[in-house]
Amino acid sequence: EIVLTQSPGTLSLSPGERATLSCRASQDISDTFLAWYQQKPGQAPRLLIYGASSRAPGIPERFSGSGSGTDFTLTISRLEPEDFALYYCQQYRRSPLTFGQGTRLEIK
Amino acid sequence: QVHLVESGGGVVQPGRSLRLSCEASGFTFSSFGMHWVRQAPGKGLEWVAVSWFDGRNRNYADSVKGRFTISRDTSKNTVHLQMNSLRVEDTAVYYCARDSGGGMYPGWFIFRGQGTLVTVSS
Repeated sequence: EIVLTQSPGTLSLSPGERATLSCRASQDISDTFLAWYQQKPGQAPRLLIYGASSRAPGIPERFSGSGSGTDFTLTISRLEPEDFALYYCQQYRRSPLTFGQGTRLEIK
Repeated sequence: QVHLVESGGGVVQPGRSLRLSCEASGFTFSSFGMHWVRQAPGKGLEWVAVSWFDGRNRNYADSVKGRFTISRDTSKNTVHLQMNSLRVEDTAVYYCARDSGGGMYPGWFIFRGQGTLVTVSS
């Protein structure tokens, strides 16, 4: 099983700041098989990024993904109030499909 | 526009069974793999099962293998999750999700429903 480790567990920032979230895989998952999701309380996750760096339809340009191999990053260039939420990475290189434990992005 | 509506959750005693359903619309159901993903209270996301686009092949997380069965009814654009021998640790919100492809090589998920809560408690 591929284990995904996200860091930090909690990130405290202010609106307008830049957020950098990390996801590290226990095995090489190339530059293709990683997705990022945003989840707000009481809601289903929303797909942000797939293929490590492709934005899903309707996702603002301030969200970007990068990385390959075992290290991946989700960057939010300038935080908007609605961006404060939980973020999960997910690998689909190999079954079982697995998620990271999540990063909570909170308002400082 | 992908639309998914989960139903069938509730409170059930350990060892009993429950059947979840997910009605899909807004896309060609027979072309896409369908998954169940769950989230225990206050915890992260856990993939549970996938049904390939044709319904002939399925795959399960080890934690549910032998107890849960995923199936699909193409005539009703519905995917089901039959959950037997339920355990307290199966307590979670269960989401269905559409795969990015046919499911044979699972990809990313499209979530659109609100999920359905399953509580296993004596």
